[in-house]
This record gives sequence, structure tokens and C-alpha cells, in this order.
Amino acid sequence: RKEVEQDPGPFNVPEGATVAFNCTYSNSASQSFFWYRQDCRKEPKLLMSVYSSGNEDGRFTAQLNRASQYISLLIRDSKLSDSATYLCVVNIPRGSTLGRLYFGRGTQLTVWP
Amino acid sequence: DVKVTQSSRYLVKRTGEKVFLECVQDMDHENMFWYRQDPGLGLRLIYFSYDVKMKEKGDIPEGYSVSREKKERFSLILESASTNQTSMYLCASSSYLNSGRETQYFGPGTRLLVL
Repeated sequence: RKEVEQDPGPFNVPEGATVAFNCTYSNSASQSFFWYRQDCRKEPKLLMSVYSSGNEDGRFTAQLNRASQYISLLIRDSKLSDSATYLCVVNIPRGSTLGRLYFGRGTQLTVWP
Repeated sequence: DVKVTQSSRYLVKRTGEKVFLECVQDMDHENMFWYRQDPGLGLRLIYFSYDVKMKEKGDIPEGYSVSREKKERFSLILESASTNQTSMYLCASSSYLNSGRETQYFGPGTRLLVL
């Protein structure tokens, strides 16, 4: 079973739409959670961390549900420039040492004019 | 500005060749990682290193080795390249934070084609 599961999409939405991505993780010891963004033929970059109480960064809202082991990303008022692949990422500790990141396969978003 | 560089953007090699992929970061990060990314499979961790001369296997280390002689440099070695190692290779680095919230910064990637 993969550590992180995402709906691969693709999601195709018009400009101005609201779109939500979901992600589940399998290890209840997971400690930290993130969304990364990857543009076509580019490297992944951190979009935002996900905190237990939920957090917002402009048009982006991230939510975490530890009981259900579920993470979400909401994008409001979609822009053409939001077109990318969104990677759900989880940090799982390894004993007393620093953990490592596990990446979901990504959800592809295309915003059309 | 944070910077991770990789020695080549595109590389074409023949089956059986020994291949070196170099990664350098200028952020004095302790942690460095090598991933490969394939369509439909996402990012898979090959090897990582939390300190100079230290290395740990990731999820798919077979057919690969690594070297970290200096803090800023992490090399991935394909001992005898095979066609199933054709892929995009991404290097990343991060600084140590006990919280586990460190950001990984990625290089631009090397697209390797093995013929």
C-alpha cells in the first residue's frame, strides 16, 4: 500500500472556478504535511505546509484531518497560472532520527480561459 | 537565493555505461536526496544522505550507488546503465530541523535516456 494516495485527475476547470484536491496517507505516525507544486517539465516546489488547524495562503486553503488521515487543498478563483501538478507530501519520522518525505503521484490541474 | 544545480539537463548513454549524475547545493544543507520521476509512478526515492560520507537506501536503490565526499555535493552513480533506468532524475536538499518541517529544494532535473 502506498504511503500517500491522490486522485491523479486530470482536473480541467475554467478560470475563476473553485477546485479541491484530496489526499490520504496510510501511516498514522506521519508528522508533517505539505503540498508541492510542479509545473510541466520543471522541478517540484513547496506550495504550502499543512497545519492541524488548517491554514490559508491567499487563494489556497489546506486542511488536515488526522482522525481520517486525510489532507485537502482548495484553490479559489482559479487562474491560468495555477495549471500544474499538485503533489501531496507527508513526512514520516524514523525512530529518533529525522524522517523522510513521501510524495503522492500528483493531481494534474488545467485551468482554461 | 536557494540553489540546487545538476550537472546535466539532458543525457544520452548506452546500455552498460557507467553514468555519473552530479548535484551541488549552495545552501549549506545537511540533507541531500536523489529521486527518479516516471509518468504514473511519481517521485521515488533512490538514496539519501544526512551527512558527509553518510548514505541510506531509499525505496529503489537497486542498480544505483551514491557518493557524498563533501557537504555540498551528492553524486548518483549508475554502475551499468540499463534501459529501465531511462527517467528524470531529481536531486533535492534540505536543512535539518527537528520538527520535520524542513523544505526540500529541488534541482532542475536530469533527463537520462539509456539506449
